[in-house]
Amino acid sequence: AAGVIQSPRHLIKEKRETATLKCYPIPRHDTVYWYQQGPGQDPQFLISFYEKMQSDKGSIPDRFSAQQFSDYHSELNMSSLELGDSALYFCASSSREGSSYNEQFFGPGTRLTVL
Amino acid sequence: GQQLNQSPQSMFIQEGEDVSMNCTSSSIFNTWLWYKQEPGEGPVLLIALYKAGELTSNGRLTAQFGITRKDSFLNISASIPSDVGIYFCAGVDYGGSQGNLIFGKGTKLSVKP
Repeated sequence: AAGVIQSPRHLIKEKRETATLKCYPIPRHDTVYWYQQGPGQDPQFLISFYEKMQSDKGSIPDRFSAQQFSDYHSELNMSSLELGDSALYFCASSSREGSSYNEQFFGPGTRLTVL
Repeated sequence: GQQLNQSPQSMFIQEGEDVSMNCTSSSIFNTWLWYKQEPGEGPVLLIALYKAGELTSNGRLTAQFGITRKDSFLNISASIPSDVGIYFCAGVDYGGSQGNLIFGKGTKLSVKP
């Protein structure tokens, strides 16, 4: 079965640079979530989108923005990168259809390293 | 904000042993999910629980949704080396309109062959 696709898998940036992470949800999933996971930490919710509209906002810094496009893929844009932004960034998707609408399926993640 | 207390933090067991881990919360959750994460990979959904008191199995894994809706446990029977990983509980937070996940801190499982 098709899974969530994230690109790139690894990204190395310098401080103050920008980065764009991409997420392609499971086909027919209408909701996308972004999570940040620091070393040895649990994933922390950043932001979510449903049907291309921002749905919920968590601990996302003002330097970050995200959107969901007409084909349901999503991009997380990160500017003025700081050393503390180094983390694994996961995208998850779910579908509002049916009884399993709370089940979020995660992608393999993008490992961002800020030097 | 809401927090989940997951225990134990880590477990070192012998292959073939049974494992039990649990999560508790001060708040009610309407859905509990259990995930397994291996190093450098994304969390993989193991079991989803929707009803208080519900007991659900997935192979050697069994999870229950507590009656008070403030806790859940996960059992793994007859552990094998490939069970190694970090197990996270997650509750669905309905404070947002789509229900983002609140994760426990994880239980790191090591299995000795």
